[in-house]
Amino acid sequence: KNEVEQSPQNLTAQEGEFITINCSYSVGISALHWLQQHPGGGIVSLFMLSSGKKKHGRLIATINIQEKHSSLHITASHPRDSAVYICAVNLPLHLDSGGSNYKLTFGKGTLLTVNP
Amino acid sequence: GAVVSQHPSWVICKSGTSVKIECRSLDFQATTMFWYRQFPKQSLMLMATSNEGSKATYEQGVEKDKFLINHASLTLSTLTVTSAHPEDSSFYICSASIPRGNYGYTFGSGTRLTVV
Repeated sequence: KNEVEQSPQNLTAQEGEFITINCSYSVGISALHWLQQHPGGGIVSLFMLSSGKKKHGRLIATINIQEKHSSLHITASHPRDSAVYICAVNLPLHLDSGGSNYKLTFGKGTLLTVNP
Repeated sequence: GAVVSQHPSWVICKSGTSVKIECRSLDFQATTMFWYRQFPKQSLMLMATSNEGSKATYEQGVEKDKFLINHASLTLSTLTVTSAHPEDSSFYICSASIPRGNYGYTFGSGTRLTVV
């Protein structure tokens, strides 16, 4: 079982619709990230959350630590929002690995297509 | 701030040759660099974690003699795919933890490797 589960896998919306992408994880984490990957492959970090809610423009991310669940919302979606959205969590590395003590574990991503 | 520049963005090479991918942190010192591989429609998989001035830590199943990682300075980490084979064709992307970023990360733009 993947430690990070995202849903839906694919999502098609009309321009202007409100979008929600969900992420559940099975282990204790120190932080959760929402990332955006465009068709060319480049990845942009959208949010890093350890509690509560964050907002940036039309994007809102929430996390419920007790329920091990996070959501990414896009308001007034636009075709330029079309991308793969990836949820990732910080998991502890082995204690003898040195350097950073955490590594990211990724969900499989949600392919969002927003049609004009 | 906290930009990682990755080169090349794409490369085609012949089987048996070696390819070097570079990641440079432009405006910060990257103590730790993470190297990922992503196959089509798959999530990112961590290959190795490199710390400046020490040997990289490889994930289980990743051949350290095939994927050579060098992190000789705080601003440069390289991944060399040696004796490349068609099955090494993939998208490779680096990431660095952001100093004082409380678990935040920044990503390179990725390298699309095609071995023919």
